[in-house]
Amino acid sequence: DQQVKQNSPSLSVQEGRISILNCDYTNSMFDYFLWYKKYPAEGPTFLISISSIKDKNEDGRFTVFLNKSAKHLSLHIVPSQPGDSAVYFCAASDPRTYKYIFGTGTRLKVLA
Amino acid sequence: DVKVTQSSRYLVKRTGEKVFLECVQDMDHENMFWYRQDPGLGLRLIYFSYDVKMKEKGDIPEGYSVSREKKERFSLILESASTNQTSMYLCASMRQGRDKNIQYFGAGTRLSVL
Repeated sequence: DQQVKQNSPSLSVQEGRISILNCDYTNSMFDYFLWYKKYPAEGPTFLISISSIKDKNEDGRFTVFLNKSAKHLSLHIVPSQPGDSAVYFCAASDPRTYKYIFGTGTRLKVLA
Repeated sequence: DVKVTQSSRYLVKRTGEKVFLECVQDMDHENMFWYRQDPGLGLRLIYFSYDVKMKEKGDIPEGYSVSREKKERFSLILESASTNQTSMYLCASMRQGRDKNIQYFGAGTRLSVL
């Protein structure tokens, strides 16, 4: 049972435009959400996070939005750059454990 | 900066071999994790450890064991490697505490079992 879902395996965006990556979750107990970026042959690196008490967090070109009622979060990248081309994973933290539940990832390609 | 080091970037092993994957972190983190990453399946948790000599099964522990004799080192062991264990293996560490913390990942070990 996939508790965290990224329904788009891939996304292509023109350089300079907005990239929107989506993530849905099923467990209302999750209280902290993260986005990681992963380049080929490297480990995931932390990008941005949001607590369930907020609905938006912004860091430079990256903004994460959380809609708790819809159990949906999204990552916006504005403007998109070719160096943003990577696989993006969303993750949710279960407060009862130390575990993160990861989505299946979305491969973003930013076209120059 | 947190550093999580995995001893090998690439490994090729034969079916039935015993395989050790090593992970070391330098930030005195209490929690350490082993994941595998497969296309279309994301990151799946194999085992984690919240203290020395403590371990808990993750979502896919079958065919694996772990060892944590020292705080900084967390080893993943494939007792008898099989072809379905060909994958990218990722180690992570995280500070323990009530504050929301971040898992930091190593560069990964790509294991091929022939």
